[in-house]
Amino acid sequence: QVQLQESGPGLVKPSQTLSLNCTVSGGSISSGGYYWSWIRQHPGKGLEWIGYIYYSGGTYYNPSLKSRVSVSIDTSKNQISLKLGSVTSADTAVYYCAREDSGGYGVFDYWGQGTLVTVSS
Amino acid sequence: QSALTQPDSVSGSPGQSITISCTGTSSDVGGYNYVSWYQHHPGKAPKLMIYDVTKRPSGVSNRFSGSKSGNTASLTISGLQAEDEADYYCSSYTSSSALVFGGGTKVTVL
Repeated sequence: QVQLQESGPGLVKPSQTLSLNCTVSGGSISSGGYYWSWIRQHPGKGLEWIGYIYYSGGTYYNPSLKSRVSVSIDTSKNQISLKLGSVTSADTAVYYCAREDSGGYGVFDYWGQGTLVTVSS
Repeated sequence: QSALTQPDSVSGSPGQSITISCTGTSSDVGGYNYVSWYQHHPGKAPKLMIYDVTKRPSGVSNRFSGSKSGNTASLTISGLQAEDEADYYCSSYTSSSALVFGGGTKVTVL
């Protein structure tokens, strides 16, 4: 059973960089066949797709966030990471990592439970 | 890319059927058969319920079904049960090769 677990600071100051990790267990992220994605949910609002990375290192980001986002992969730790720069209060959200079937579009079959990140001074 | 439009809430009595709509444009929902639906109990990981408009993952009850007409996709829950009370989100592939989600619908079992 694949499990994903997000981790990182719960509080980030405005203008700084938000950094989160997602550790995958129960399967290898380097086995191929899946995109490893980040998705967020603003308080009381819907979901927003941030972007994904493939095990080979290829990435694709939401055009609205592309200038501030970077997703990386560490196959030795079976972990993916998210960096979001120049954060503001609008980036306060629950951040999820999820596995997406690379043979489909938007088919997220496993998710983490999410981690709340608050942007505040 | 604007979020897909879902009703804020839908309710029904046990045993009844309810339908949740998800309205987009010809650049997302209407243009591709790549609509997914997720069930989310707050504090837990979201769960994939429907993908590619009508397909159900293994293990998901056949009480859940999906459909699409034009720019609007729908999720129908038949034989509503107390455990179905949750938030539901739709998502769609878009013409900019991105993904867009809906604002979410709270399902209440009366």
